[in-house]
Formats: sequence, structure tokens, C-alpha cells
Amino acid sequence: AQKITQTQPGMFVQEKEAVTLDCTYDTSDPSYGLFWYKQPSSGEMIFLIYQGSYDQQNATEGRYSLNFQKARKSANLVISASQLGDSAMYFCAMSLSGGGADGLTFGKGTHLIIQP
Amino acid sequence: KAGVTQTPRYLIKTRGQQVTLSCSPISGHRSVSWYQQTPGQGLQFLFEYFSETQRNKGNFPGRFSGRQFSNSRSEMNVSTLELGDSALYLCASSWRTSGSTETQYFGPGTRLLVL
Repeated sequence: AQKITQTQPGMFVQEKEAVTLDCTYDTSDPSYGLFWYKQPSSGEMIFLIYQGSYDQQNATEGRYSLNFQKARKSANLVISASQLGDSAMYFCAMSLSGGGADGLTFGKGTHLIIQP
Repeated sequence: KAGVTQTPRYLIKTRGQQVTLSCSPISGHRSVSWYQQTPGQGLQFLFEYFSETQRNKGNFPGRFSGRQFSNSRSEMNVSTLELGDSALYLCASSWRTSGSTETQYFGPGTRLLVL
């Protein structure tokens, strides 16, 4: 079975600093996708970035980048120049492409607080 | 393009009652997945529907059920509510079945409180 581990329950970061949120994953499936979602206090899960297991380059989306280290099975999210609006829960998730239709497997999340 | 919508946004029920939650996916998306989020268990996959067929189901009792209509809208039903069913229920849609690495887009969720 697949598993996602996020080891940072909470983080305090100064505004404008870069942030790295850790995520490690475990699966025996060679084909998978890794996702990061942001969940503000309102509850909605907002898609941030995606990395496929066969992608050669790290994914980037604006201020978000994914540091994908396949051999170490890690997929850390990097937020450059953090803003107050970045304060939220962040979830790392994985999906398999083997046709199992098991949905996304989520980590426990990291509560990020940006301080002015 | 409109996002995923869920109704109602908030719901209060008492133990033993049943509840139906609704989800309208992004236009063109044929897959709808449901997740339960609680402080203790985190985010857990409930089930996924693709083209009106349930493709898979998570580890939840039979009190949790769902269906999908021909327009891809989906409903989930929880019968004989228990206190532990209090949670945020999130619906997500994607173009293809969740048995792929297709990105799932979430709705705002329905907060259910069981008293």
C-alpha cells in the first residue's frame, strides 16, 4: 500500500522568506503522480503543483516548485518569497496510475504560518 | 470555467438520521471522488465514480454510499448517522478516472455536524 509522510506538523516563517515543506512517499508502483494542495481555513483544497514519476525535470508553478528526488522518494514543496496569504495547511498526496482507482493518498499535512 | 460545487455547505443532523450531500463537477469532468476529513484520521478516500459506475471504495462501512448521474453530478448518502461521522466531506473531480495521475480539483466541502 502506498504511504505519504509529512514530518513537519507546523512551521513558522517570516514573510518574504523561502519555505520548504517536506514530503516522503512510499510505493512499489513505478508509475505515480505526486501533488501538493493548499487548504485555507475555509476548507477548500486548492491544487498547487503536480509531478509525475517519469518527469525528468522538477515541476514549477509560479512561486511554487517541487523538489523531486526519486531515489530518496521525496517530493518537497518550495515556496519562494512567502506571503501572508500563504498561511494554511499544506498536504502532499499521491495517486497511482495502475488502474486501481484508489483515489489520492494524503499525508497528515503541515500547518504553515507566515509571520509579518 | 466554473469549479466544483458542493451543497449544502453546512449541515447539522442528529444521530440515527440520514444525510445526502451533492457534488457538481467541473464541466467535462467524468470522474467524481469523495473524501472524508477529520482531525483524527485526516483525509480518507471514500469512493470514486466514473461514467456512473463506482470504480472503487475506501475502507468505510456500508452506511456510506453514493451514486453518479448521467450529467456526472454525484451524491453521497450516509445512513444511520453516528457522532463519528462529523467531518468535512470533500468532493473532487477529474477528467479521467482517479486510477490515473490526473489532477483532481476539489470543491469547498460540506461540513457535517452530528449531534
